[in-house]
Amino acid sequence: SQTIHQWPATLVQPVGSPLSLECTVEGTSNPNLYWYRQAAGRGLQLLFYSVGIGQISSEVPQNLSASRPQDRQFILSSKKLLLSDSGFYLCAWRPHTGELFFGEGSRLTVL
Amino acid sequence: QKEVEQDPGPLSVPEGAIVSLNCTYSNSAFQYFMWYRQYSRKGPELLMYTYSSGNKEDGRFTAQVDKSSKYISLFIRDSQPSDSATYLCAMTLLRDMRFGAGTRLTVKP
Repeated sequence: SQTIHQWPATLVQPVGSPLSLECTVEGTSNPNLYWYRQAAGRGLQLLFYSVGIGQISSEVPQNLSASRPQDRQFILSSKKLLLSDSGFYLCAWRPHTGELFFGEGSRLTVL
Repeated sequence: QKEVEQDPGPLSVPEGAIVSLNCTYSNSAFQYFMWYRQYSRKGPELLMYTYSSGNKEDGRFTAQVDKSSKYISLFIRDSQPSDSATYLCAMTLLRDMRFGAGTRLTVKP
């Protein structure tokens, strides 16, 4: 069966510091991978999605970037965090169509 | 108009009640419809997945899709305190997926 791992689970970072969130998927190959952000009391905002190694699509221009160095690895990064980057970040994967499966999430607090 | 509208609640019911959660949408091209349950500080968990109009039942949960009226519903029978969570509707067209804002449900013992 497929599983998705996401880490770290919780992160507290100062403004201006870098960020790296990692996500890996097991049990499938060539999945579509996604990064979402969920602000408190708000819906899910799609940040990036990838259909293959090195192929990244950005949905919202912002302080973040994403990379897919391997088929089942998806990384969310920032060079300098802003206060507004605080939130709950979710990695997800899906077959080419159909349902989306989420990781457990990474809670980022920028101080 | 948002593509997907979902009443944010909060919704509070006594244990054993029947719960009805609803979403409406504007894009008639949506093909697949999903309901997710999200516990506090956790990732959303897929509950129900369907692609046709009608009802789909799984234990105490029933998902209903009405494509002609563009709304979907999730019914929870014999609700339990463990059902207390935020419920998100979602729908997809090829690669695009749209989510409702989520309804927070509390089931009181």
